Formats: sequence, structure tokens, C-alpha cells
Amino acid sequence: EVELVETGGGLVQPGGSLRLSCAASGFTVSSNFMTWVRQAPGKGLERVSVIYSGGIYYADSVKGRFTISRDNSKNTLYLQMNSLRADDTAVYYCARVGESCSGGSCYSYFQHWGQGTLVTVSS
Amino acid sequence: DIRMTQSPSSLSASVGDRVTITCRASQIISNFLNWYQQKPGKAPKLLIYAATSLQSGVPSRFSGSGSGTDYTLTISSLQPEDFATYYCQQSYTTQYTFGQGTKVEI
Repeated sequence: EVELVETGGGLVQPGGSLRLSCAASGFTVSSNFMTWVRQAPGKGLERVSVIYSGGIYYADSVKGRFTISRDNSKNTLYLQMNSLRADDTAVYYCARVGESCSGGSCYSYFQHWGQGTLVTVSS
Repeated sequence: DIRMTQSPSSLSASVGDRVTITCRASQIISNFLNWYQQKPGKAPKLLIYAATSLQSGVPSRFSGSGSGTDYTLTISSLQPEDFATYYCQQSYTTQYTFGQGTKVEI
């Protein structure tokens, strides 16, 4: 059974740093596309970063401040967040990206999600 | 950037109602469209991928349709557990942009 467990959230002052972890079980992080998605209080969903075998992408709002990485030995995904701002306050979810191919196209989707971890940036 | 616009933003419905939510992309996304359900305090759950494919374990009362820029999520007979917020998402680009959500209320 696939399971994702995020940890590392908490209260941090503006300008501070946090590292989120996402421990995976039931599949291998290194063999899958993985993503971080966040949701500000009462707001919608925003893809923060995605890591593929061939590349990494970031939302413009976090580019240069956040870094996604994975530790294959621990089967864990990370999000290093630096220079945090008040508008980074959100629940952060990690998710496994699934894929289905038909008719010459491969369709991807966020198939499995963790429970989320709350990051609050405030003085 | 691809923008996703859902309508309506919220709706009131009763158990047994047929409910339709629409999602419009700012450019053609060729069925690279997913639908998610989110309940308060919970992570989103994948319902539909590739515009029309039902995720394993999702009840058959949920269905997706559409093409080009316009897509629809339909709940054929609303059940008490379906009261939630629904999001569309494009997977045509790695931005994976979400719509703003549609809250389905009693």
C-alpha cells in the first residue's frame, strides 16, 4: 500500500528556513515523479515543485528560494524552503505523480497524497 | 501560462441531484485534464484523469467529459459523502495549474 507522510512544518519567522520531509512507503521515490503542492488557508491548490528523472520545475513564486530533492536510501522527498515570506504560509502536501499512456499520449496526475504539514510564517 | 477557470465557484444541491461542474482552460489542453475532490482538513483525492478516465475505486456516479479547452465533471446522483470542494487541473504542462475550486454544498 502506498503511503506518504510529511513532517517538518511549523512556525517560522519571515526570512527563516524550514526543511519538509515526505517519507514514502509502498513504492520507490527515485523511480517516480514526485511533487509538492501547497494550499494557503481557505485558498486553492498550487503546484510548488515537481521532480522528474530528467528535470526539476518550480513555481515562479518560489524559484530561487525553495529546493526539491530526494534521498533514495531513505526513500524520502524533501523541500528546503529558504527566505520564507508570510505568503508561503500554507499546508504543504507531497504527492506521487502517476501516469497513464494511450493513443500515443501519456497523461500524468497526482495519484497519491500525504496528509499535509502546516507551515506558518509569522513574526 | 495556462489558466484554469471553474464554474460555478459554489453551488447548492440536494442528495440525488445531478451536478455538473465546468472547467475552461486558457488554451487547448488535449484532454490533459484531471479532477480532484477535497474534503475539509483532508488531502485532495484523484477522481478523474485524462479527462474521462475514472480512477480506481471511485464510484461510477462520477464522470468526466470534454475536449479542447472545455471540460465537465458530472455527479449523476449526489450522495451525502460528495459534499466537498472539487478542483480541475491541467497536466498539459509541468505547471500543473489548478482551477480555483467549486464548493458543493447542501
